[in-house]
Amino acid sequence: AQSVTQLGSHVSVSEGALVLLRCNYSSSVPPYLFWYVQYPNQGLQLLLKYTSAATLVKGINGFEAEFKKSETSFHLTKPSAHMSDAAEYFCAVSGLGGANSKLTFGKGITLSVRP
Amino acid sequence: KAGVTQTPRYLIKTRGQQVTLSCSPISGHRSVSWYQQTPGQGLQFLFEYFSETQRNKGNFPGRFSGRQFSNSRSEMNVSTLELGDSALYLCASSLGAGGPQETQYFGPGTRLLVL
Repeated sequence: AQSVTQLGSHVSVSEGALVLLRCNYSSSVPPYLFWYVQYPNQGLQLLLKYTSAATLVKGINGFEAEFKKSETSFHLTKPSAHMSDAAEYFCAVSGLGGANSKLTFGKGITLSVRP
Repeated sequence: KAGVTQTPRYLIKTRGQQVTLSCSPISGHRSVSWYQQTPGQGLQFLFEYFSETQRNKGNFPGRFSGRQFSNSRSEMNVSTLELGDSALYLCASSLGAGGPQETQYFGPGTRLLVL
């Protein structure tokens, strides 16, 4: 069974500071990993995804994530936080597609950005 | 291209009633997945439909059912509503071919409140 673990439920940073949101995965097959963001009263928006083409994945809004197989991690980072980054962030893992294409999500991390 | 649309956006029902939620996928997408989001359980996969057939199913009771029409639109039905069914129900669409390039695009969700 595949799963992801997001450590901590809330992260608070100052505007302009580094954002680091952690995600560790467990998978018996090569995983496909995703980061989604959810703004209040909205659905989920894809930030980026890892599909084995490159270990460093760049996404939208300046976010990037690095796949580290030795650490089973896929942490999300952004060099400089902006007030508009305040939202809930979800890490998710998917199977190989077809019958295994469902997404399994972590519990989510709420990011607050202080002025 | 229009995104995933869900109707209605908000719904209030009483215990014991049934409810039907609707989802229209992105044009050309043949797979529709449904997820339930609650503060306690987070995001949980309900089921996935592809070409009018249920292709994958999560661990929910039989009160939760769905279907997909020939135009790929999907409906989700919950019978004999319980208080614990109060949640945000998210629909996601994808091309449906499976594989590592498959990205699920989410709608804004239907917020269901059961009184």
